[in-house]
Amino acid sequence: QKEVEQDPGPLSVPEGAIVSLNCTYSNSAFQYFMWYRQYSRKGPELLMYTYSSGNKEDGRFTAQVDKSSKYISLFIRDSQPSDSATYLCAMGTGTASKLTFGTGTRLQVTL
Amino acid sequence: KAGVTQTPRYLIKTRGQQVTLSCSPISGHRSVSWYQQTPGQGLQFLFEYFSETQRNKGNFPGRFSGRQFSNSRSEMNVSTLELGDSALYLCASSRGGQAETQYFGPGTRLLVL
Repeated sequence: QKEVEQDPGPLSVPEGAIVSLNCTYSNSAFQYFMWYRQYSRKGPELLMYTYSSGNKEDGRFTAQVDKSSKYISLFIRDSQPSDSATYLCAMGTGTASKLTFGTGTRLQVTL
Repeated sequence: KAGVTQTPRYLIKTRGQQVTLSCSPISGHRSVSWYQQTPGQGLQFLFEYFSETQRNKGNFPGRFSGRQFSNSRSEMNVSTLELGDSALYLCASSRGGQAETQYFGPGTRLLVL
């Protein structure tokens, strides 16, 4: 079993929809959580960083962490075609720089 | 502020050869981490260098090695290339403290024939 599980998709939604992306993890040592967006043939770009349970909002993006359930989510409101990309969750223990990634969810936002 | 840069962007090698990839971190960042990304395994941590010393290491064979220079630039070397080494190699830089945000470069796409 992988330390971080993420549905690979693909997930296809119409423009304007609310998108929900999720990851579950098994290692209770994970202390901080990130979401990266990766366009085809590009490097991952940091979207959200959270260090505690609860919600964090940044524009159209909301990251949610539930440490008791070992579950994190990323919500995208008013999705746009430019949001079409692969979304990667990543986690770290806080004692080392190593990040453990989910396999990524491919999102397609259609007109 | 300039982002993380990686060279070369694309590389084609044959089995048995070796390859060296380069990464220049964001100015002021002292930590450089390397990751391998493949369709089957996703992003996997190779190793991290901080102040010219390897600080963390992933579960890759000894054919994968790296180093960091005094200006924080880092190189990764893969010897005796295998077909399975074909991947996107990403480096990420951070200031180096605990739980610091890592910023990724565009990657080097390596194809081993």
